[in-house]
Amino acid sequence: AQSVSQHNHHVILSEAASLELGCNYSYGGTVNLFWYVQYPGQHLQLLLKYFSGDPLVKGIKGFEAEFIKSKFSFNLRKPSVQWSDTAEYFCAVIPYNAGNMLTFGGGTRLMVKP
Amino acid sequence: KAGVTQTPRYLIKTRGQQVTLSCSPISGHRSVSWYQQTPGQGLQFLFEYFSETQRNKGNFPGRFSGRQFSNSRSEMNVSTLELGDSALYLCASRSSGRTDTQYFGPGTRLTVL
Repeated sequence: AQSVSQHNHHVILSEAASLELGCNYSYGGTVNLFWYVQYPGQHLQLLLKYFSGDPLVKGIKGFEAEFIKSKFSFNLRKPSVQWSDTAEYFCAVIPYNAGNMLTFGGGTRLMVKP
Repeated sequence: KAGVTQTPRYLIKTRGQQVTLSCSPISGHRSVSWYQQTPGQGLQFLFEYFSETQRNKGNFPGRFSGRQFSNSRSEMNVSTLELGDSALYLCASRSSGRTDTQYFGPGTRLTVL
């Protein structure tokens, strides 16, 4: 079965610092990749997704992620974080042709200090 | 468009009871998936329904079941509740396109005493 690892459980940054959250998955076949965000008290929301094409994907709120197939990685980046980015971030995978069965990583709690 | 709605938002039950949670997908969405979120296990897939048929099932015991109605609304049922079933249960809906986004509801917070 596939699995997803997020290396950092908690990250604390100051405003304007750059962010990179790691995500690795274990699955040998074609996968679709996602980053979701859960702001305090809010629903899970999609930040960005990768299905095919350009491995550098741009999402909402200035986030981007790069799919590196050889490293089974899909790291999330943002050049300059804001206090409003404080949230929990989840990386997720769906193997091709697995319907909607998302496998999530354990999540990374990001706190941005003003 | 209204988002995914889940009812009730909060539930308190005791061990051994059963519970039914409801999910109304976004209008036009035919796929509904259920997830369990706990501090210890994180987000885990329960099952997915598409056009009233279960398409995928996660690694949960048979006490967890679900169904989908012809209007795409879905229910999940947990029988013989255990303390470990305390969790946030999330529903997500998606339209039929493979690259379409799953939209999540606010969840039902179940507490088992």
